[in-house]
Amino acid sequence: AQTVTQSQPEMSVQEAETVTLSCTYDTSESDYYLFWYKQPPSRQMILVIRQEAYKQQNATENRFSVNFQKAAKSFSLKISDSQLGDAAMYFCASRDTSGSRLTFGEGTQLTVNP
Amino acid sequence: GAVVSQHPSWVICKSGTSVKIECRSLDFQATTMFWYRQFPKQSLMLMATSNEGSKATYEQGVEKDKFLINHASLTLSTLTVTSAHPEDSSFYICSGGRQGVIQDEQYFGPGTRLTVT
Repeated sequence: AQTVTQSQPEMSVQEAETVTLSCTYDTSESDYYLFWYKQPPSRQMILVIRQEAYKQQNATENRFSVNFQKAAKSFSLKISDSQLGDAAMYFCASRDTSGSRLTFGEGTQLTVNP
Repeated sequence: GAVVSQHPSWVICKSGTSVKIECRSLDFQATTMFWYRQFPKQSLMLMATSNEGSKATYEQGVEKDKFLINHASLTLSTLTVTSAHPEDSSFYICSGGRQGVIQDEQYFGPGTRLTVT
């Protein structure tokens, strides 16, 4: 079974600044995928970024990047040049390669201050 | 990207009645669909997984007779909340996945807000 933990219920950042959201996970699988999802007030789940565990290189998507530490089972999300539209609930999630079931963390509510 | 729709987006029903929520994959075949429940400011809780043409697999603690899931086609899954009670009021989200596409993620619907009065 996989578990995902987000220890920061709430975070805030000033517009244009950088913020890092933390996530740790546990799995017995040797290969798996990790995700960050964004859920804005509309509550539509939006995929922000994905990391394949077998890849050592950290994934990046424009202003979003991850710090994937496989040995430490850590998967943090860095948002650079924060924008007001980044305000949302962010969920970290994991999935093994044998199925498509996702395991979600508790979520981090991000506030972006103008 | 793949699109999933849900209908209705918001429904109010009286206690004791049943309500059906539809989840459709619009531009792909969803061999697997997932149903989640989400309470305010909480994470998504997986209720059940359904594969097309098969019975749904329910998570522990989810009453299969109360939450009926049907996945009769590759583009449609339905969740029926039977004999709804106020405690069933919640936000229900479906997602679809494509079999054989290992690197594929789940595609989420916009959710349905259920209020039971």
